[in-house]
Amino acid sequence: EVQLLESGGGLVQPGGSLRLSCAASGFTFSSYAMSWVRQAPGKGLEWVSTISGSGGSTFYADSVKGRFTISSDSSRNTLYLQMNSLRAEDTAVYYCAKALGGYSGSDLRGFDYWGQGTLVTVSS
Amino acid sequence: IQLTQSPSSLSASVGDRVTITCRASQGISSYLAWYQQKPGKAPKLLIYSASTLQSGVPSRFSGSGSGTDFTLTVSSLQPEDFATYYCQQLISYPPTFGGGTKVEIK
Repeated sequence: EVQLLESGGGLVQPGGSLRLSCAASGFTFSSYAMSWVRQAPGKGLEWVSTISGSGGSTFYADSVKGRFTISSDSSRNTLYLQMNSLRAEDTAVYYCAKALGGYSGSDLRGFDYWGQGTLVTVSS
Repeated sequence: IQLTQSPSSLSASVGDRVTITCRASQGISSYLAWYQQKPGKAPKLLIYSASTLQSGVPSRFSGSGSGTDFTLTVSSLQPEDFATYYCQQLISYPPTFGGGTKVEIK
C-alpha cells in the first residue's frame, strides 16, 4: 500500500525557514517523480516543485524559485522541501504527491497518491 | 499554460448528469488530469491522459477532449460526488491547475 506522510509544518515568522519532509512507502521511490503542491486557505491548488525519480532534475514555480529547494533521499525514501525567506503568501497546506511517471522529470501524467498535508503558517 | 474551468460552481441533484469543462490557453494534446477534492482532504486522481480512468474510480466518471478543450462528466451524480474538481495540465512545467469547480447539492 502506497503511503505518503508529511511532517515539519508549523508557525514561522516572515523571513524564517522551515523544512518539510515526506516519508514514502509501498513503491519504488526512485522510479517516480515526486512533487509538492500547496493550497492556501480557501483557495485552489498550486504546484510548487517537482524532483525527477532519478533525482537529477528539479523544477520550481516562479513564486518559490530561489527560496525553496526540493530534494530526496532514496536511501530513506523521503522527499524534502527546504523553505527559506518565507512570506505571508506562503501560508498553505503543503501536500507531497507521487507522479504516475516522471523518472526523468517528464511524462508526469498525473499525481496518483497524495499525503495528508502539513500546514505552514507564516505570521508574526 | 493557463487552464480555465467552467462553471466555477454548480448545483445539482443526486442522479443528475454533470459536465465540467476545462480550456487550456494553448494546445496540450491529451496531457490533462482531473482530481476530486473534499473539504479537509487531499485531492484524489480521477482521470489522467484526458480519458484514462484511474484504478478504483467508479465508471460513472469519464473524461474526454484533446488539444485545448476537455470535459469531465459524471453520468449519475452520487451523494459522495459532491466536492470540488480540478483539472491539471502536464505537458510542460509548470504543471498548472485550473481554478476548480465546486459541485454542490441542489
